[in-house]
Amino acid sequence: GAGVSQSPRYKVAKRGQDVALRCDPISGHVSLFWYQQALGQGPEFLTYFQNEAQLDKSGLPSDRFFAERPEGSVSTLKIQRTQQEDSAVYLCASRPGTSGTEQYFGPGTRLTVT
Amino acid sequence: EDQVTQSPEALRLQEGESSSLNCSYTVSGLRGLFWYRQDPGKGPEFLFTLYSAGEEKEKERLKATLTKKESFLHITAPKPEDSATYLCAVQGEGSARQLTFGSGTQLTVLP
Repeated sequence: GAGVSQSPRYKVAKRGQDVALRCDPISGHVSLFWYQQALGQGPEFLTYFQNEAQLDKSGLPSDRFFAERPEGSVSTLKIQRTQQEDSAVYLCASRPGTSGTEQYFGPGTRLTVT
Repeated sequence: EDQVTQSPEALRLQEGESSSLNCSYTVSGLRGLFWYRQDPGKGPEFLFTLYSAGEEKEKERLKATLTKKESFLHITAPKPEDSATYLCAVQGEGSARQLTFGSGTQLTVLP
């Protein structure tokens, strides 16, 4: 079946621009996560949704980062007034249940801020 | 705070040369330890979940084991297609539901 998809795969933004990154999770998956992965590092947690509810946003690095999942399926991560330090790969993952089992990752969006 | 440390950072093996990757962790109540494989330009691909000390899981040339403080990913007779970065992650009872990852081991298998 279809896995997690993300778009765009690559995004170049000038410093100060706003960007929106999209995630289509596996159909029926309740849990959705966003992670940020810097070059040569493991993914770092940003935020978590259970259905449409954002239950944890403790990993968002600043108030320029905003995520939503209004209908409990597709999610969008928005970054306002991008900075160079925002350059990274943004990964989306989904999980069928609410705890204890593996997460399935999308291919990521590589954001480069110039 | 959950922490994961992986070693070595990079490992080069000849085809057929078996070895092990290490994942040391500290967590408040382990709910699961996860191994992923990540190829360049792709998202992490799930390999194994381990839940309790003493547990072992195998898939083709890979075998994952778990103790109370660390996990090992054993690679037997590796092939060049096993070249990738291997990531270890934990979910603890203290963390909401997210995974805490290590920095990974970059494995290169030479033909």
